[in-house]
Amino acid sequence: AQTVTQSQPEMSVQEAETVTLSCTYDTSESDYYLFWYKQPPSRQMILVIRQEAYKQQNATENRFSVNFQKAAKSFSLKISDSQLGDAAMYFCAYIPPFNAGNNRKLIWGLGTSLAVNP
Amino acid sequence: GAGVSQSPRYKVAKRGQDVALRCDPISGHVSLFWYQQALGQGPEFLTYFQNEAQLDKSGLPSDRFFAERPEGSVSTLKIQRTQQEDSAVYLCASAVTTNSPLHFGNGTRLTVT
Repeated sequence: AQTVTQSQPEMSVQEAETVTLSCTYDTSESDYYLFWYKQPPSRQMILVIRQEAYKQQNATENRFSVNFQKAAKSFSLKISDSQLGDAAMYFCAYIPPFNAGNNRKLIWGLGTSLAVNP
Repeated sequence: GAGVSQSPRYKVAKRGQDVALRCDPISGHVSLFWYQQALGQGPEFLTYFQNEAQLDKSGLPSDRFFAERPEGSVSTLKIQRTQQEDSAVYLCASAVTTNSPLHFGNGTRLTVT
């Protein structure tokens, strides 16, 4: 069964510094998608970054980047130049490729609560 | 609208009452999902629609839970005879296609007293 593990329940970072959130997953599939979602106190899940497993290049979105290591099944999120608004729960999620009978059940980690200290 | 809209934002129900939670997806989005999120947990899948067809309802915890999307746009999640264990945030998400990232609403926080 596919699983997603986030081993850091809580993290903190000083404003303007860099922090890395870890995520590992388990799957027997070779093609899949990985996501990082941010959930601030407003509760809205906001997509931060997306990685397709067939792409070797790590995804980057402004201050957010990932270190995707397919063989190790690791998908960490790096936040550079941390800002106060980055404080939120961060969820790592996995989804298998779409095929007949598959219905896009995202498999979620338990989340990492990130605090940003001024 | 610009995003996924859910209403109400907060709902308090007495045990045994029926509730209905509404989700307005982004216009044109084919896929719609409902998730249940307990405090401190990640979202748990409830059900999935592709247009008006409910393709998977395996995550619905009991037959008290019912979801519909009759015209392939707005969806309603109904919970009958609410129980305290139903207290959670209910998240709705939509996507352009099955291979697109999900866009989530703000969720409805249901508290059953």
